[in-house]
Amino acid sequence: GDSVTQMEGPVTLSEEAFLTINCTYTATGYPSLFWYVQYPGEGLQLLLKATKADDKGSNKGFEATYRKETTSFHLEKGSVQVSDSAVYFCALNNMSPGGSYIPTFGRGTSLIVHP
Amino acid sequence: GAGVSQTPSNKVTEKGKYVELRCDPISGHTALYWYRQSLGQGPEFLIYFQGTGAADDSGLPNDRFFAVRPEGSVSTLKIQRTERGDSAVYLCASSEGQGGYEQYFGPGTRLTVT
Repeated sequence: GDSVTQMEGPVTLSEEAFLTINCTYTATGYPSLFWYVQYPGEGLQLLLKATKADDKGSNKGFEATYRKETTSFHLEKGSVQVSDSAVYFCALNNMSPGGSYIPTFGRGTSLIVHP
Repeated sequence: GAGVSQTPSNKVTEKGKYVELRCDPISGHTALYWYRQSLGQGPEFLIYFQGTGAADDSGLPNDRFFAVRPEGSVSTLKIQRTERGDSAVYLCASSEGQGGYEQYFGPGTRLTVT
């Protein structure tokens, strides 16, 4: 079946540091790829997405590029802020044999940004 | 506008009891998903509704779990004969469609089986 693998956390950075959170996936066909974020005390919300190979999703200074050749969707930000501290989930949505799109999430990576 | 809401926010029940968890999706969203999230894990897919019908229930762990969405809006996840291993946060999400559509998540129901 489909799977998503994220780097283990927590990732601890100082403010203004560069961020990379690695995400690789295993899936047949052409899944859509997503990054969701969960801020402390809040529900999951979409950060960015890409629906086809070589697409770049971006939002709030975060970027991720859909790389089909390496089956990856790494999340990057050039300069993190304390307010970026949260748990980040990589996810894919892929068509099942029955024709429905079934979402698969990674286990999440906690990011802690210090002033 | 109103987001996805879930009730109750917390539920404590004894092993063997029956529980119902409710989800109110965003108005007009035809797709509705239920997930289970254990501590330190990502959401695990349980069941997907398109309109009133369960389009895919392949994630339900066993026949103690059942979900309905009779009018294509509110959905209820039902768990019979609860076990301690059912303890988790149950998440509901809705979206305008499948595939590349964004999912909007509710705050979850934390279920504790004692």
